[in-house]
Amino acid sequence: QLVESGGGLVQPGGSLRLSCAASGFTFSSYWMNWVRQAPGKGLEWVANIKQDGSDTHYADSVKGRFTISRDNADKSLYLQMNSLRAEDTAIYYCVRDLGYYRGDCWGQGTLVTVSS
Amino acid sequence: QSALTQPPSASGSPGQSVAISCTGTSSDVGGYNYVSWYQQHPGKAPKLMIYEVTKRPSGVPDRFSGSKSGNTASLTVSGLQAEDEADYYCNSFAGSDNLGVFGTGTKVTVL
Repeated sequence: QLVESGGGLVQPGGSLRLSCAASGFTFSSYWMNWVRQAPGKGLEWVANIKQDGSDTHYADSVKGRFTISRDNADKSLYLQMNSLRAEDTAIYYCVRDLGYYRGDCWGQGTLVTVSS
Repeated sequence: QSALTQPPSASGSPGQSVAISCTGTSSDVGGYNYVSWYQQHPGKAPKLMIYEVTKRPSGVPDRFSGSKSGNTASLTVSGLQAEDEADYYCNSFAGSDNLGVFGTGTKVTVL
């Protein structure tokens, strides 16, 4: 099970940190991802991180502003979001990856709204 | 990476079949056998329906099948049921240095 938290309303230029708590599986064995979905729009991979945290990838739209990280001891995934823009408004999902973007387990999502 | 191209909508009557296409390039769909399909009902998180082009996760009905030819992948839903009405997104691996890429999404309506 994956449970996201940390979403909310933030002003443009502000920061927010999302968390995802994992349970029921060996968290440290999987790549983990953040996927977002803007209101009424499609899905977008935002970032992912290797099992030991040694490799990460980001969408061009968030590169340099967002940082993905994980704490395997705490079974938690994080997304630090800085310099937020209106276009970052979306539901953010935490996703377990079985490999090659085979996302077999998704959280319920947390809504981030960037607005003044 | 640009989004993969899907038709905005598709429809069929109960019991009929509907096929959804997903067109990419040789850098994604055409280059790897790592195409997956996700189903999303309104207000819900996406659910994995097909992975590695043709494989179904445990619990997914065999009414759902996938295929690929060149740069285009397809999802076919046979024997349409009311609960199949949802949005469907394809996704492809696009190389080790890139994130995956989703399709634009297709809304399936059961008439």
